[in-house]
Amino acid sequence: GAGVSQSPRYKVAKRGQDVALRCDPISGHVSLFWYQQALGQGPEFLTYFQNEAQLDKSGLPSDRFFAERPEGSVSTLKIQRTQQEDSAVYLCASGQGAIYYGYTFGSGTRLTVV
Amino acid sequence: QKEVEQNSGPLSVPEGAIASLNCTYSDRGSQSFFWYRQYSGKSPELIMFIYSNGDKEDGRFTAQLNKASQYVSLLIRDSQPSDSATYLCAVWWVDSGGSNYKLTFGKGTLLTVNP
Repeated sequence: GAGVSQSPRYKVAKRGQDVALRCDPISGHVSLFWYQQALGQGPEFLTYFQNEAQLDKSGLPSDRFFAERPEGSVSTLKIQRTQQEDSAVYLCASGQGAIYYGYTFGSGTRLTVV
Repeated sequence: QKEVEQNSGPLSVPEGAIASLNCTYSDRGSQSFFWYRQYSGKSPELIMFIYSNGDKEDGRFTAQLNKASQYVSLLIRDSQPSDSATYLCAVWWVDSGGSNYKLTFGKGTLLTVNP
């Protein structure tokens, strides 16, 4: 597609509920990132994929967070047993491979845990 | 811990003035520096990147990099109300294994351009 597409745009979850957030990167982009952005803060790195390989998951805050990209295109970020502190905007970004040139962000999913 | 620091603002400038946004970073081993613009409720949008000391110009935007002093700045000439947004500075570090791919972001500076 023309841009990075994320769905849903908004998600309200009850505490303890599992959620799945989807990212559809720009076609042909090798690199895919997930970031978490709390209100008034800059994006914080969660995890990175190069094609289907998850090369860095050092930013995932707990083992309740899990990400996959099984065929090297669409990615899903799953959060199990959501907590209030998980409320944030989850941003997906994709790039052609060379970090040198930055990457393109999607519109994000705003998750609110109540 | 690699850190990127920005003044959170708000920075308020009149229309037509030059807006100057600053960013400092904690480690000399950084390679590339990025400025993203983020409108309220929207996703970050890449404005410019710079990796060599000096100035890089693109239209009304100029990025300035001083690696010795560990700062990078963004100048916006002839500021317009449509430039009102949060500006995020991001840094890419190369680690010893060459395996770092992520950008580290500052908290952003809120710019308001008054008509």
